Amino acid sequence: ETGVTQTPRHLVMGMTNKKSLKCEQHLGHNAMYWYKQSAKKPLELMFVYNFKEQTENNSVPSRFSPECPNSSHLFLHLHTLQPEDSALYLCASSQDPGTSGYEQYFGPGTRLTVT
Amino acid sequence: TQLLEQSPQFLSIQEGENLTVYCNSSSVFSSLQWYRQEPGEGPVLLVTVVTGGEVKKLKRLTFQFGDARKDSSLHITAAQPGDTGLYLCAGGNYGQNFVFGPGTRLSVLP
Repeated sequence: ETGVTQTPRHLVMGMTNKKSLKCEQHLGHNAMYWYKQSAKKPLELMFVYNFKEQTENNSVPSRFSPECPNSSHLFLHLHTLQPEDSALYLCASSQDPGTSGYEQYFGPGTRLTVT
Repeated sequence: TQLLEQSPQFLSIQEGENLTVYCNSSSVFSSLQWYRQEPGEGPVLLVTVVTGGEVKKLKRLTFQFGDARKDSSLHITAAQPGDTGLYLCAGGNYGQNFVFGPGTRLSVLP
């Protein structure tokens, strides 16, 4: 298996549910990211982990809770979401952001619908 | 705050035509990336440019980084329906997270 994988690809959940999104990278990268992509909006960076340490929390509501147990795995735990949280959630990985010309590689995304 | 603008926002052309899309900023970036994203999928990295004035070619796609490293262009020759998608540019600097533009949505009609 290569690149960045995400599961599930599609998720429908009610506002009172708890679910988790999973991301795994097979590129030997040290940094992992969560982005939110809504219709007609640019990609929004949510969280960044570098060497398993969270380095960015872009004012994300606490109903989104990230977890990075190691450099290859990243989770996004969801609870009591709102309908406006419906979006495509993208995971990405990269080399250390402190290196010159570092590149981000994205997974296929999880299409989340909150009912 | 660093911002990237992309133009045009939407573009619909016939198969075989040429096109250019643009990515502009008032900020300097140490590198700039172009991605193509198809509906329901994640962005796929096409190219990274790091040197002012740099030109890179990927088959029918030609990417140029501006001399001042504030802007970039993507030129597609003889567009094909398979080129359809959302084209995103992203600017990066050492130790900072990438900044993404809003994208150009391209539709190539057969």
